[in-house]
Amino acid sequence: DAMVIQNPRYQVTQFGKPVTLSCSQTLNHNVMYWYQQKSSQAPKLLFHYYDKDFNNEADTPDNFQSRRPNTSFCFLDIRSPGLGDAAMYLCATSRVATSGRAEQFFGPGTRLTVL
Amino acid sequence: AQSVTQPDIHITVSEGASLELRCNYSYGATPYLFWYVQSPGQGLQLLLKYFSGDTLVQGIKGFEAEFKRSQSSFNLRKPSVHWSDAAEYFCAVGANTGTASKLTFGTGTRLQVTL
Repeated sequence: DAMVIQNPRYQVTQFGKPVTLSCSQTLNHNVMYWYQQKSSQAPKLLFHYYDKDFNNEADTPDNFQSRRPNTSFCFLDIRSPGLGDAAMYLCATSRVATSGRAEQFFGPGTRLTVL
Repeated sequence: AQSVTQPDIHITVSEGASLELRCNYSYGATPYLFWYVQSPGQGLQLLLKYFSGDTLVQGIKGFEAEFKRSQSSFNLRKPSVHWSDAAEYFCAVGANTGTASKLTFGTGTRLQVTL
């Protein structure tokens, strides 16, 4: 089945130690998204890629970076995680859409714990 | 800017009872609306979407939603709730970024089902 895969499902890191989260997709979608979801809150969009074109949200901290080496893979890098970065990180994909009418397909998420 | 309001943070219903989850949106153009469900520790699964046409849309797992432009609402309903429906439900509006669909989520409604 076509799907969005996130690895690892659970990640523990130390305060200030860089961490990378991985997302891959078999849907062959052009667009990939990263969301941050803190406990009992709505998912918040950090950035998205349209092919290799990176689009950052205005309020995404500089501590968060992303790479997309090819269509299938996208990485979220947190350069110096703080306690406030502990959250569920969700990856999603969609087709290109010239309107808002593109369904997003979500992966299962990576739960990040910062010690 | 678009926004979504889910006025009910937590709802408890008995198994077999009917369910309605409220969602109000604010968006200047034609809204593209979604309902997602999230089980604990999991990613988001699309229940249904509204793009255009018939204002009553059917989704998976027996859910339906009705788009009411005059009330800026997109309420989710199910005639008979099952214990497995206990989860967090998010309403979202999609906006056009030119090449992608940017989702803005409501804060979610947590559904508890009593037996």
